[in-house]
Amino acid sequence: DQQVKQNSPSLSVQEGRISILNCDYTNSMFDYFLWYKKYPAEGPTFLISISSIKDKNEDGRFTVFLNKSAKHLSLHIVPSQPGDSAVYFCAASSLLPGGTSYGKLTFGQGTILTVHP
Amino acid sequence: KAGVTQTPRYLIKTRGQQVTLSCSPISGHRSVSWYQQTPGQGLQFLFEYFSETQRNKGNFPGRFSGRQFSNSRSEMNVSTLELGDSALYLCASSWGGRGQSYNEQFFGPGTRLTVL
Repeated sequence: DQQVKQNSPSLSVQEGRISILNCDYTNSMFDYFLWYKKYPAEGPTFLISISSIKDKNEDGRFTVFLNKSAKHLSLHIVPSQPGDSAVYFCAASSLLPGGTSYGKLTFGQGTILTVHP
Repeated sequence: KAGVTQTPRYLIKTRGQQVTLSCSPISGHRSVSWYQQTPGQGLQFLFEYFSETQRNKGNFPGRFSGRQFSNSRSEMNVSTLELGDSALYLCASSWGGRGQSYNEQFFGPGTRLTVL
């Protein structure tokens, strides 16, 4: 049972344009969401997070949007740069009673982003 | 501030052997989580330690175990290795404070384990 899904295995974007990565979840107990970037042979790097009490969070070129009713979140990268080319993982957690509890992130399968110069 | 470090970075073992992996969290972080990454299953949660206590555990057999020391460093042990244990093992740390940021985790580079 895949509780966090990234339905697009890959995305190709031109440098300077917007990259939009999508993520869907099924577990309504999730209340905190994170995006990570991963290069080959390295661990995931934390990018940005959002709490379920918000619908948007911005950090520089990165913005995450959360639609709780649709159980959907997206990461926008504007403008995209070739150095952004990596695998992007969406992750979710819950600290609510009965949720996934401490220390556990549930990850999607990842989306490979390629930004062409 | 130094990041999360993991040793060794690469390891080759044979079936039936056991292995111990080490993780040093970011200074001041008290929570350490372990994950297994494989091409087929993606990133799967193994367990989490806080103040030397296992607080949460994923769906892995008892051959996978861990511990945390008083300085927050953590080790993970896999006994009776199987071919399917070949994977990238990632350690992540967080400060472990109150609130949702408890699970804002920072990852190490991982240990690549190959079981022959």
